[in-house]
Amino acid sequence: QVQLVQSGVEVKKPGASVKVSCKASGYTFMNYGISWVRQAPGQGLEWMGKISVYEGRINYAQKFQDRITVTTDTSTRTAYLDLRNLRSDDTAVYYCARGEVGPRLDWYFDLWGQGTLVTVSS
Amino acid sequence: DIQMTQSPSTLSASVGDRVTITCRASQSIHNWLAWYQQKPGKAPKLLIYQASSLESGVPSRFSGSGSGTEFTLSISSLQPDDFATYYCQHYNNYHFPFTFGQGTKLEI
Repeated sequence: QVQLVQSGVEVKKPGASVKVSCKASGYTFMNYGISWVRQAPGQGLEWMGKISVYEGRINYAQKFQDRITVTTDTSTRTAYLDLRNLRSDDTAVYYCARGEVGPRLDWYFDLWGQGTLVTVSS
Repeated sequence: DIQMTQSPSTLSASVGDRVTITCRASQSIHNWLAWYQQKPGKAPKLLIYQASSLESGVPSRFSGSGSGTEFTLSISSLQPDDFATYYCQHYNNYHFPFTFGQGTKLEI
């Protein structure tokens, strides 16, 4: 079954870090990229960054540039989002999504994880 | 950053209606545009990519059009399952970040 399965709920204190995982199955992991998108409660979608699994090329939204790291482990077919120095406004559902799709290697997202709720509260 | 502006923010309609949602980009994104449907508590679902290409498995009542800075998503005959929130997204690889529109909530 083609799917992305994410790690579970996280509760963190301000200033802490969180690492969310996204395990791929049912497709050739290295043939696609992975993006991370978040959604604060009751709000819209916000793109955070992407990684091309085969090339290792990474791009981040400037908003997160100084506190985000996106990595992959091809041996376990897993992508990771590391977000540091958490603030209360980082409380959101974090999604991984498959991109780099089709002959043009476009970055629309045809497969999504189920989402991981990260709550930041003192 | 490229700003994506959707209109309307909320759309009230009935089963069987034809509806259109508009998405405007602050600069040309050619046809690097996707549309997603999201239901409460669920991940977004891809409907349209490259502005007008229908994703496999998506009903043909959904269609997309446009290029450059103005795009539309149309639903030809609303079904009960279509009441959800819709987002556009640009994926112009020369202009990060990949921004989403603010969403259009389609309600009964």
